[in-house]
Amino acid sequence: GAGVSQSPSNKVTEKGKDVELRCDPISGHTALYWYRQSLGQGLEFLIYFQGNSAPDKSGLPSDRFSAERTGGSVSTLTIQRTQQEDSAVYLCASSPQPSGWVRNTIYFGEGSWLTVV
Amino acid sequence: GEDVEQSLFLSVREGDSSVINCTYTDSSSTYLYWYKQEPGAGLQLLTYIFSNMDMKQDQRLTVLLNKKDKHLSLRIADTQTGDSAIYFCAESTFPGQAGTALIFGKGTTLSVSS
Repeated sequence: GAGVSQSPSNKVTEKGKDVELRCDPISGHTALYWYRQSLGQGLEFLIYFQGNSAPDKSGLPSDRFSAERTGGSVSTLTIQRTQQEDSAVYLCASSPQPSGWVRNTIYFGEGSWLTVV
Repeated sequence: GEDVEQSLFLSVREGDSSVINCTYTDSSSTYLYWYKQEPGAGLQLLTYIFSNMDMKQDQRLTVLLNKKDKHLSLRIADTQTGDSAIYFCAESTFPGQAGTALIFGKGTTLSVSS
């Protein structure tokens, strides 16, 4: 597709259940990011994938959060045993392979709105 | 760690200029960005500036960078009601470095009244 695609766009889940959020980056983009935006808060960095390098997981808030990226393309963010404080918009973004001093523009998806009840 | 700070709210009248300010802590920041988020929508890249530039102008938008003070500003000339949105400042280090990700501020909500 033309842009970053995320699914589901909306998810309501019961506390304690696991959820999976999917991200399809722009074709050819090697960098993929997950961010979280809670109500009234800014964007919180979660995890970053760049090519075949080990992902930067430094932003994951707890061990209930994990993410993988298969084949260097699609990524899945998994939240286990969801809590009410996990309710937020989860934004995925991708950027092209950096080369030289070109701008590292990243492109965001529309987000997955997660509500834990 | 890196940090990006913005004021949370700005209110202006239609036709006035808006100036949204941002400070960052990472002296190795290479690129600085402004993103716009309209209600219920995703993030849209407005403009960016490379750290060796002082100013960049793009139509109604002017970005000023004071690298010494680590201060970035976005000026919107002739602000319109359609400019009402949340504006996020973000920074990143050189893209080629491992583990590079954009670090965002909390966003400035711009309210434009007619």
